[in-house]
Amino acid sequence: QSALTQPASVSGSPGQSVTISCTGTSSDVGGYTYVSWYQQHPGKAPKLMIFDVSNRPSGVSNRFSGSKSDNTASLTISGLQAEDEADYYCSSYTSSTTLVFGGGTKLTVL
Amino acid sequence: EVQLLESGGGLVQPGGSLRLSCAASGFTFSSYAMSWVRQAPGKGLEWVSTFSNGDSAYYADSVQGRFTISRDNSKNTLSLQMNSLRAEDTAVYYCAKAGTQYDSLNWFDPWGQGTLVTVSS
Repeated sequence: QSALTQPASVSGSPGQSVTISCTGTSSDVGGYTYVSWYQQHPGKAPKLMIFDVSNRPSGVSNRFSGSKSDNTASLTISGLQAEDEADYYCSSYTSSTTLVFGGGTKLTVL
Repeated sequence: EVQLLESGGGLVQPGGSLRLSCAASGFTFSSYAMSWVRQAPGKGLEWVSTFSNGDSAYYADSVQGRFTISRDNSKNTLSLQMNSLRAEDTAVYYCAKAGTQYDSLNWFDPWGQGTLVTVSS
């Protein structure tokens, strides 16, 4: 199972919006609504930010939103803040009854 | 509060074995699937294995046949027996709880702090 494709890095200034893409195939991202997004700060465990494509867990800022079109899922962060600087990973259920993660995207807040 | 505490990591020689454990508290352990996810130094996340809230186990191709996941619901503990270890198995291993009682391979919340496994001679 190949990793989902994410851009290696994205950046934005405080207050701006950024979107991170996550591209898979019809056997994973495109075939199911089981796409999740995680935030990971250096040396810390991953934190769930979005589940089932577009749902936010309680406690996660509404500046974070998720969507999906065909084989590509997206995470949008609006009103960028310094604390958003982190690595972001998408994940998806697959038709092989496995789970696959994206390669990760480093978000830099300029 | 849900807590997951991994243990058992360390230095092991190639071809060796190691057993990881994850002690869970703060929720009805038997009702949720539990998983292991690893992260090699400076690399991304890689799903390793999941044990459902029933008796189903799932593995990544990279560990199939070498790793065995198990759970003891009486002790609220998840385990990962790792055999025939390779240098590429070097990683921080995280224990994670399924987000709902109905999905084994979907979202994980929360994650433990991880335990480092180093495979080297």
